[in-house]
This record gives sequence, C-alpha cells and structure tokens, in this order.
Amino acid sequence: SAVISQKPSRDICQRGTSLTIQCQVDSQVTMMFWYRQQPGQSLTLIATANQGSEATYESGFVIDKFPISRPNLTFSTLTVSNMSPEDSSIYLCSVLPFLAGPLNHNEQFFGPGTRLTVL
Amino acid sequence: DQQVKQNSPSLSVQEGRISILNCDYTNSMFDYFLWYKKYPAEGPTFLISISSIKDKNEDGRFTVFLNKSAKHLSLHIVPSQPGDSAVYFCAASAHFGNEKLTFGTGTRLTIIP
Repeated sequence: SAVISQKPSRDICQRGTSLTIQCQVDSQVTMMFWYRQQPGQSLTLIATANQGSEATYESGFVIDKFPISRPNLTFSTLTVSNMSPEDSSIYLCSVLPFLAGPLNHNEQFFGPGTRLTVL
Repeated sequence: DQQVKQNSPSLSVQEGRISILNCDYTNSMFDYFLWYKKYPAEGPTFLISISSIKDKNEDGRFTVFLNKSAKHLSLHIVPSQPGDSAVYFCAASAHFGNEKLTFGTGTRLTIIP
C-alpha cells in the first residue's frame, strides 16, 4: 500500500476565492485521482491527474474550475477556483500504485481528505 | 444515472451476528468490484475486492459474493464487531476504463454491543 497525505486537512474559505489542495505519496505511483464527496453523497471522480500532461476530466468538471497539476510521480495538486458554497465538500486524493495487467486489477488507496467549507 | 447502487442507507446489527451489505450495478462493462470502509474524518480504506471471473472472495471475517447475472454483490461480515461500525462503499471499475472507480452511495453500518 501507499501512504498518502493531504494538505490542508480542512479549510473555511470565502466565496470567490481559490484553494489549492496538495496530495503527497510516499512512493512513486502510476496513477493519481481526485474525488469529491459532497455532504451526504457518494464519492464522485473529478479527474485523473496525468504526470507531465493535462489532467483528464470527468463529465461535469472542467479545467478552469478545477485545475490540476502533477509534476512528478509522487505529488499532485487540485485547485478549487472561484469558490461558491456549492463547492463545500470533502476532496480526496487517491492513488493506484501499479497498472493492472490483463488478468488483475489493483486497488486504489485514498488520502485522508480535505474538508472544505465555503461561506 | 447511478450505475452503482446501495439501496440500504443504514443497517444495524447485533455484535457477533452477521452483517450483510448489498450492492447492485447496471453497467455490464464493470469487471472488478471493491468494498471500502470509511470512518468519519478519514479517507476510505480498502477492504476486499473481487474480479468478475470469480463469484466469491474471502479474507478473514469478510467475504464478498458476486452474482453477475443479477448484477449484484454483497459483503458479509461475520462475526460483526463494534469496530466495524462505519460507512461502507461499494465501488466498481472496468478494466479498460482507465481504472477509475464508480462508487455507490454507501451504507452506514452500526454494530450494537
């Protein structure tokens, strides 16, 4: 497994501002993902963070709102831009240590999450 | 369109008895299924998984059953312990879908001492 840390663990922000969340892994990993869990709801994938190239966004999420960086194999950031109260969520980073082969999959491991409240 | 569904938002079970959590899916491309446990203020922790080539996988007190024809899987915990009280998420992935996970809505399990 991989040890994943996120910063900050929580924050309270004002409407219209931006927050950058950091995700650090203790070992090189193949894939990194960003999820959102809105209050009382399930985890929703925002995007796949690609090392050295632009992130791949899921339907309903755009780069202007959620810019993502992944400069190397152990670190990624997610920025929540021009925040509104609807962005209040837990944001989670996850990693896939190795790519699956033809006959197997691998489990994703999650960071502790960043609890964001937008006023 | 909720592709992975957990129809029971909550479940209470007596300590020592069996806990059964259910999950249904609609996307026939899913071929790998996982269960995660989540405590408050923590990220989800991987519990157990199953590939679509199997119908059962067991790990200690945890067993996952997969019924492909019914597009249904279940997690059995026996015997249930107070530390099992948490929210359990079912998740699914497609091998050729870049490994991204689609999560269910979660079931809050409470073990009664």
